[in-house]
Amino acid sequence: LAKTTQPISMDSYEGQEVNITCSHNNIATNDYITWYQQFPSQGPRFIIQGYKTKVTNEVASLFIPADRKSSTLSLPRVSLSDTAVYYCLVGDPYSSGSARQLTFGSGTQLTVLP
Amino acid sequence: NAGVTQTPKFQVLKTGQSMTLQCAQDMNHNSMYWYRQDPGMGLRLIYYSASEGTTDKGEVPNGYNVSRLNKREFSLRLESAAPSQTSVYFCASILDRVDTEAFFGQGTRLTVV
Repeated sequence: LAKTTQPISMDSYEGQEVNITCSHNNIATNDYITWYQQFPSQGPRFIIQGYKTKVTNEVASLFIPADRKSSTLSLPRVSLSDTAVYYCLVGDPYSSGSARQLTFGSGTQLTVLP
Repeated sequence: NAGVTQTPKFQVLKTGQSMTLQCAQDMNHNSMYWYRQDPGMGLRLIYYSASEGTTDKGEVPNGYNVSRLNKREFSLRLESAAPSQTSVYFCASILDRVDTEAFFGQGTRLTVV
């Protein structure tokens, strides 16, 4: 399983773009990068997933360089309600059985200030 | 849509007592997981199950047992609760090979005194 490294915490102001970077030097060929968001007292929620280059959905963008050893979650124009912990996971989503562990690291606590 | 349902939501146990945390999903997912989350920490995998009748240890299995009785349900049992097991427990499920999104329950807040 590829190990991931993220900043422990980040602060931002409302309306700003926030970029959270995740390092995963040992990513395997079949691995995808997935980001989850967790609010206090709730289970994590899927945000976005990608394999290479750029992926965008209605809430975020994910940038993955050619070497895939890192990725950046971009949240445009954050609001107070984006205050949460963000987790980066690396793994093969098409594996099954005992290979399908979902390992969460410590995550990044994003605090959006008014 | 119920998704992943955990029961109970809150529980207080005395040291040495036993209990079972229940988890059920209605999405026909193959894999199910149990995590614990201590205050200010990330999620740590306790056990997971790739299919009915199979279970595997995660990072922190000691003090826990699990049962995957059928495709829908995955239970976590504490045989003799200890204060160190005070935590929030989350259950999750995912559909292998096709779905890449894991769905989580709302959590069970367990306090062992």
